[in-house]
Amino acid sequence: AQSVAQPEDQVNVAEGNPLTVKCTYSVSGNPYLFWYVQYPNRGLQFLLKYITGDNLVKGSYGFEAEFNKSQTSFHLKKPSALVSDSALYFCAVREAGANNLFFGTGTRLTVIP
Amino acid sequence: NAGVTQTPKFQVLKTGQSMTLQCAQDMNHEYMSWYRQDPGMGLRLIHYSVGAGITDQGEVPNGYNVSRSTTEDFPLRLLSAAPSQTSVYFCASSYRGTGEEKLFFGSGTQLSVL
Repeated sequence: AQSVAQPEDQVNVAEGNPLTVKCTYSVSGNPYLFWYVQYPNRGLQFLLKYITGDNLVKGSYGFEAEFNKSQTSFHLKKPSALVSDSALYFCAVREAGANNLFFGTGTRLTVIP
Repeated sequence: NAGVTQTPKFQVLKTGQSMTLQCAQDMNHEYMSWYRQDPGMGLRLIHYSVGAGITDQGEVPNGYNVSRSTTEDFPLRLLSAAPSQTSVYFCASSYRGTGEEKLFFGSGTQLSVL
């Protein structure tokens, strides 16, 4: 069975500070891991993905994520937060060979000016 | 390029009414799916399709039907609406290859069942 956990419902960070949004996963086989972002009244937009290879993945808008197999984590990071980064962030996992993507419950990021 | 188009954007139903949420994509994607988004629950998969004529159930299929007669369209039917189906519904699509593909989402349908 596949599952994703986002332990923080809300993350607040000051503008210009680094941000981290946490995600842990559980799959039986090799994971495909994704981050999506949702702005108010919009559908989800793809940010980045990890399939294989380098554990540090770079994505859109300056975001990156680090895959850690031993800790089964895929935390989203950004060196310097912008007010415009304020949104709802979803981590998702698909087990290799499976059809579907399973989403976490989401983390609301608020960047304070 | 329209991407994934959902209609309507908003809908209010009375308990017991039926309706169809429309979803169309113009990217020739084989895979299409429906999710519902509820506070504190994230996105949960309702039904999905890996190609025309093929559909299957997701995590929360009860009370919903789907069909896939063409590659482009994947409507979601509520047969007899219940207040528990009040939610925001998202349609999503992707290519089907090795499972690495990202999903493209529609802008959502906000449904209230009274």
